[in-house]
Amino acid sequence: GAGVSQTPSNKVTEKGKYVELRCDPISGHTALYWYRQSLGQGPEFLIYFQGTGAADDSGLPNDRFFAVRPEGSVSTLKIQRTERGDSAVYLCASSRESNTEAFFGQGTRLTVV
Amino acid sequence: GENVEQHPSTLSVQEGDSAVIKCTYSDSASNYFPWYKQELGKGPQLIIDIRSNVGEKKDQRIAVTLNKTAKHFSLHITETQPEDSAVYFCAATYRGYSTLTFGKGTMLLVSP
Repeated sequence: GAGVSQTPSNKVTEKGKYVELRCDPISGHTALYWYRQSLGQGPEFLIYFQGTGAADDSGLPNDRFFAVRPEGSVSTLKIQRTERGDSAVYLCASSRESNTEAFFGQGTRLTVV
Repeated sequence: GENVEQHPSTLSVQEGDSAVIKCTYSDSASNYFPWYKQELGKGPQLIIDIRSNVGEKKDQRIAVTLNKTAKHFSLHITETQPEDSAVYFCAATYRGYSTLTFGKGTMLLVSP
């Protein structure tokens, strides 16, 4: 595709529920990143994929958060037992190689009520 | 880990003036410094970047300078226009790949 696509654009869920957020990277990009952006803050790194494997998941806040990229393209960020503090914009980015410029999607705004 | 500080948090200028946003970083191993522009409801958009082997880079009205010794880098926008109004983020990476540590952002407002 022309750019990084994230779905849904908005998600409202109840506390304790499970959610999945999807990212379609730019075609041919091998590296994929998830970030979380709270209101008034810069994006914070969550996890980085090189191909199908998670090369760095040091930013995941706890074991309720998990991400997969089974075929090296689309990625899904999964959050279990959501908490109100998980409310934020979740951004996905991709880059052609692991050390080249990263392009961001428009984000998924997650609201936990 | 890396820590990036960004100043100012807000910046108001008149159309046609120049705007300067400054960032400092903590890890001397950082080697890639991009700048992103984020408009309301959108994801960050890369506007310019610089690597540690270069001291300055220009692209039309936008320039970035890097001082490795002092560990700071700056974004310069000349001849500002109302459409430059947005939140600007600096970032740095030291991990050898594009995982970025961002500053807290600068809200730039350009008044006509």
